[in-house]
Amino acid sequence: AQRVTQPEKLLSVFKGAPVELKCNYSYSGSPELFWYVQYSRQRLQLLLRHISRESIKGFTADLNKGETSFHLKKPFAQEEDSAMYYCALSVGQGGSEKLVFGKGTKLTVNP
Amino acid sequence: SQTIHQWPATLVQPVGSPLSLECTVEGTSNPNLYWYRQAAGRGLQLLFYSVGIGQISSEVPQNLSASRPQDRQFILSSKKLLLSDSGFYLCAWSFGGFSEQYFGPGTRLTVT
Repeated sequence: AQRVTQPEKLLSVFKGAPVELKCNYSYSGSPELFWYVQYSRQRLQLLLRHISRESIKGFTADLNKGETSFHLKKPFAQEEDSAMYYCALSVGQGGSEKLVFGKGTKLTVNP
Repeated sequence: SQTIHQWPATLVQPVGSPLSLECTVEGTSNPNLYWYRQAAGRGLQLLFYSVGIGQISSEVPQNLSASRPQDRQFILSSKKLLLSDSGFYLCAWSFGGFSEQYFGPGTRLTVT
């Protein structure tokens, strides 16, 4: 079955500290993974996708197929990073792609 | 550029009343459309998705239904609301054949 697990509901760090939000997935096919972020009073938006191998707002995420993980990392957290983060797995193909979301991790960056 | 709208932003309805939430996409044609319910601690649950006019796939059995009367319009409905239907409902769209989805601002539904 397709599943995305984010083991931490809440994560609290201090400004300037490194942060890692964990995501593990279960999928028999070739995975396509995303991180979405929802800031307070804003709509859910895409943060990054694994196929782009990009760094957005200082965040990176590497797909580890051996560990079936896609952890989100940032070396120095900022207060404005405080938000709800969701990991998502794309399933299906041929125009019927869907996203399976984890339950989310609420990140709080303290001053 | 593409934009997605949802209305109303908030809604308070009594148990047993009907429901109609609307989602509209602008700036693209033949998008895939999705309805989600977002609950604290539960993440996003996909309720329905549509790959074209009149084509609706239901992901979970429930008291809700969806319709797509026009290419860029997606409606979430119920004939009789239950208390358990309360929640935050999100609409999203994607280009057909692509996984990345773009989300609307959501509707907060409270059933009293």
